[in-house]
Amino acid sequence: EVQLLESGGGLVQRGGSLRLSCAASGFTFTNYAMSWVRQAPGKGLEWVSGISGNGDSTNYADSVKGRFTISRDNSKNTLFLHMNSLRDEDAAVYYCAKWGSTSCCYPGMDVWGQGTTVTVSS
Amino acid sequence: EIVLTQSPGTLSLSAGERATLSCRASQSVSSSYLAWYQQKPGQAPRLLIYGASYRATGIPDRFSGSGSGTDFSLTISRLEPEDFAVYYCQQYGSSLTFGGGTKVEIK
Repeated sequence: EVQLLESGGGLVQRGGSLRLSCAASGFTFTNYAMSWVRQAPGKGLEWVSGISGNGDSTNYADSVKGRFTISRDNSKNTLFLHMNSLRDEDAAVYYCAKWGSTSCCYPGMDVWGQGTTVTVSS
Repeated sequence: EIVLTQSPGTLSLSAGERATLSCRASQSVSSSYLAWYQQKPGQAPRLLIYGASYRATGIPDRFSGSGSGTDFSLTISRLEPEDFAVYYCQQYGSSLTFGGGTKVEIK
């Protein structure tokens, strides 16, 4: 069964740091791009960051650029999100998501984890 | 950044009715790069449609996507009880953005 399991969320002070992890199983992890998507309480979805299958290419939403770093360890089938200088507006449920694979077009994100919650306190 | 505007914000319908959800982009989006997701309370999103019109694996054929340029739509031909949820469109161009969502609620 294809599965993603996030961990590492919690309560952090404003200005603090946190590292999220996403353990993947049931598929060949290195073959797929991955993303982090967040959802603030009662709000919509916001893409945060993405990384290619081999980790060579990364990109970020403007709202987190320079503060967050996405990485992956393909030997351990794990995706990471290092978050620094956390702000009130970073409080959200953070989902990791696997990109699909198609020949025609952008495949969308076809597998999602259950999410991990980040709370920022003052 | 391409902004996606979804309308209406809320759609109140009964089971068995047809639902049409709109997603308008602030600039042209390749239809190859448009996806739709469904999210139920307390759950992660689920991919419904990719490439504007291709159903993801396991998605019933009552869901269909269409559109091009700046105007896209998701249609649910006959609403089933499990279809009442929030729906998001998403584009992948120079960056990746989601629309604000449309809630389909029971009338």
